[in-house]
Amino acid sequence: GESVGLHLPTLSVQEGDNSIINCAYSNSASDYFIWYKQESGKGPQFIIDIRSNMDKRQGQRVTVLLNKTVKHLSLQIAATQPGDSAVYFCAERKIQSGTYKYIFGTGTRLKVLA
Amino acid sequence: DVKVTQSSRYLVKRTGEKVFLECVQDMDHENMFWYRQDPGLGLRLIYFSYDVKMKEKGDIPEGYSVSREKKERFSLILESASTNQTSMYLCASSLARRQKETQYFGPGTRLLVL
Repeated sequence: GESVGLHLPTLSVQEGDNSIINCAYSNSASDYFIWYKQESGKGPQFIIDIRSNMDKRQGQRVTVLLNKTVKHLSLQIAATQPGDSAVYFCAERKIQSGTYKYIFGTGTRLKVLA
Repeated sequence: DVKVTQSSRYLVKRTGEKVFLECVQDMDHENMFWYRQDPGLGLRLIYFSYDVKMKEKGDIPEGYSVSREKKERFSLILESASTNQTSMYLCASSLARRQKETQYFGPGTRLLVL
């Protein structure tokens, strides 16, 4: 079936290093993708998005890369900080029955080591 | 900034009780959503609404109902709570414009049904 998944459930990164979180999606018709950050006990927080007509988008310390050929999405966090520790998950948007539907991944836990 | 608030952060209810979860957004968003989040399953859509008094079933509507009497408020109702409805409930809202349909989430309500 269709799914949005993450390659690694937990990622440990040294403070100051760059982090790369990956996401695979299976619906080639999806036209919009979002990365969310969810800290413990809080709701998901929007980080960055990208449309299917782009392959890269940069924000503040974050970059999202989209490879439609292999249906792969990644989130890169530069100079990872302790405050980046959280669960990160991706979401894809597709059209289903004439309306947009979001499919969410299960998440990767990022641990920043001091 | 978009602000989505949920009436309770934590709730403990007994089996068979009627439970109301309230969500309010202050950005005049047309779309509102209710999800539940369970470990290893990602976000699953319960119900959504694209307009006042309008509602659509999501992927797991059984055991739930919703109400959207005002644009800013979307309520989730558990008619008769059961233990398998113990979960984290997340409300989200978004603009109706196709290019700006990013969903913004509230802090979540953690519901425990005994």
